[in-house]
Amino acid sequence: GAVVSQHPSWVICKSGTSVKIECRSLDFQATTMFWYRQFPKQSLMLMATSNEGSKATYEQGVEKDKFLINHASLTLSTLTVTSAHPEDSSFYICSARGGDGSSYNEQFFGPGTRLTVL
Amino acid sequence: GENVEQHPSTLSVQEGDSAVIKCTYSDSASNYFPWYKQELGKRPQLIIDIRSNVGEKKDQRIAVTLNKTAKHFSLHITETQPEDSAVYFCAASIEGTYKYIFGTGTRLKVLA
Repeated sequence: GAVVSQHPSWVICKSGTSVKIECRSLDFQATTMFWYRQFPKQSLMLMATSNEGSKATYEQGVEKDKFLINHASLTLSTLTVTSAHPEDSSFYICSARGGDGSSYNEQFFGPGTRLTVL
Repeated sequence: GENVEQHPSTLSVQEGDSAVIKCTYSDSASNYFPWYKQELGKRPQLIIDIRSNVGEKKDQRIAVTLNKTAKHFSLHITETQPEDSAVYFCAASIEGTYKYIFGTGTRLKVLA
């Protein structure tokens, strides 16, 4: 159980275009999903937290107009990188947590999406 | 906000030896500390976690210790094997926020 998928697994796009990445919880309802960005040989940096049906909360320094996050259902969150530029090339990973009421909630990670902007 | 430091950044050990990775955190409100193993290009995999009401937890060759007073926690891997080679990340989470703040990672290489 607790499987999270991402699509696509990799994408190459031209500078200036927008790219949408999907994150799905396959066998549980995810009340909260998180989006991380990971540059080569670096750690996972939290970009934003999204709760189903409400606006995402962005971390300091992350442009909300550039990284659009939608969490329309309990099993799907999307990240859209708008007007992508080469510096946006990175590994984007989502994670999801269930809503069992526990104070400690494990996050289940998706397989990641490698974005390359030419 | 929470800040997590992790040391060392790289670690090489001989097969069969033990490996220890240490993390410190800044926010005393953090109460959940997971450890993840990540292989190149793959998702992070949870290997062990510890909650603030526990001082030590062990799962076969892997153990984690937590010192709340000093605000540090450590990962111990005994009898290392080549397949333990990967990047390991610690994280800290504050109750109620559910956010993870990750450490900078440790690249572990187990030499056969």
